[in-house]
Amino acid sequence: EDKVVQSPLSLVVHEGDTVTLNCSYEVTNFRSLLWYKQEKKAPTFLFMLTSSGIEKKSGRLSSILDKKELFSILNITATQTGDSAIYLCAVARSSNTGKLIFGQGTTLQVKP
Amino acid sequence: SQTIHQWPATLVQPVGSPLSLECTVEGTSNPNLYWYRQAAGRGLQLLFYSVGIGQISSEVPQNLSASRPQDRQFILSSKKLLLSDSGFYLCAWSWGGLRDGTDTQYFGPGTRLTVL
Repeated sequence: EDKVVQSPLSLVVHEGDTVTLNCSYEVTNFRSLLWYKQEKKAPTFLFMLTSSGIEKKSGRLSSILDKKELFSILNITATQTGDSAIYLCAVARSSNTGKLIFGQGTTLQVKP
Repeated sequence: SQTIHQWPATLVQPVGSPLSLECTVEGTSNPNLYWYRQAAGRGLQLLFYSVGIGQISSEVPQNLSASRPQDRQFILSSKKLLLSDSGFYLCAWSWGGLRDGTDTQYFGPGTRLTVL
């Protein structure tokens, strides 16, 4: 059965800390891995990763994929209170349906 | 550019009452459409997806149903709500067809449903 597992499930840090969120997967016909940030309402897209070892970066956020070991990490440096959110990892399989398999999410709280 | 709308934003319904949540997408044609439910502080559970008008696939057995009467309209319904139907319902779209590198789904603002 396909599955996506995120760790930790929750995390509390202080402003300025660096955090690493993990996402491992066991999915047949893997095509891509996506990261989303969800604050109050709709998840917003962060990154899509398809190739191993190529870092995607946006400001203080970065992510990398390891297709051999079947995992991805999302790094956030110099955290701010605005980074507090649920971070969702999802995997897409090769198909024309576009379905994503989501992990449980990591709830990050950044304290001032 | 593309936008996705959901309504209502919040809903409080008694057990046994019917439900109709609507989702519409603008700025694209023939999108793939999805309904998800999210329990408090948790990941997303896919309920239904559709690759075209009238084409609905159900992911989990439940008392909910979905319909796609128009290309960019997706409706989630129930004849009789249960307490367990409470949750946050999200609609999403993605580019349709056999495309590579277009796995990204874009989410609507969601509907928070409370069944009492």
